[in-house]
Amino acid sequence: EAQVTQNPRYLITVTGKKLTVTCSQNMNHEYMSWYRQDPGLGLRQIYYSMNVEVTDKGDVPEGYKVSRKEKRNFPLILESPSPNQTSLYFCASSGTPDRTDTQYFGPGTRLTVL
Amino acid sequence: AQSVTQLGSHVSVSEGALVLLRCNYSSSVPPYLFWYVQYPNQGLQLLLKYTSAATLVKGINGFEAEFKKSETSFHLTKPSAHMSDAAEYFCAVKSSYGKLTFGQGTILTVHP
Repeated sequence: EAQVTQNPRYLITVTGKKLTVTCSQNMNHEYMSWYRQDPGLGLRQIYYSMNVEVTDKGDVPEGYKVSRKEKRNFPLILESPSPNQTSLYFCASSGTPDRTDTQYFGPGTRLTVL
Repeated sequence: AQSVTQLGSHVSVSEGALVLLRCNYSSSVPPYLFWYVQYPNQGLQLLLKYTSAATLVKGINGFEAEFKKSETSFHLTKPSAHMSDAAEYFCAVKSSYGKLTFGQGTILTVHP
């Protein structure tokens, strides 16, 4: 089954404790992206990747890091999480970044930083 | 810069009634527009997309949307609401490097 998977689905942590949220897709997609969803703000892009070893900042990159060493994986790293990073996070992928191409979303990771 | 505005953070309809969710966009280039639906505790699922081929776009689950350039709108409609349509709906515009810019979302409630 074609899908985007994320782990963990739920995470509660404390300020400053480094964490990684994994994202994997099995569709051989070139383009991958991370978004965060906050009430009343919709989804906002954190980082994106056009292909392996090619990443760039989105609209809200502060406090986050990413890497793209393999085509299928695009982990999101919070090196020193803070309470304002409490949010619902979505990974997405598409075959290309072309504007007509559909982005497929993972199930989401709900992160709480205490 | 591109942006999307969804009018109404909450919409409530009766089962069987018309569903109308409003979306207006701002874009300096021809827009590519998407509607996604999010059911509770799930990810986003594509309902339909406008990619300049036809102004009236039909999607899944009986939804459709009409692109109106003169009104900069891409409203989502469904003739008859079903209880299973209760969800949050997002309108989005896509940039040339793949970024989706989302509206604030509209929560649809369907009453029996």
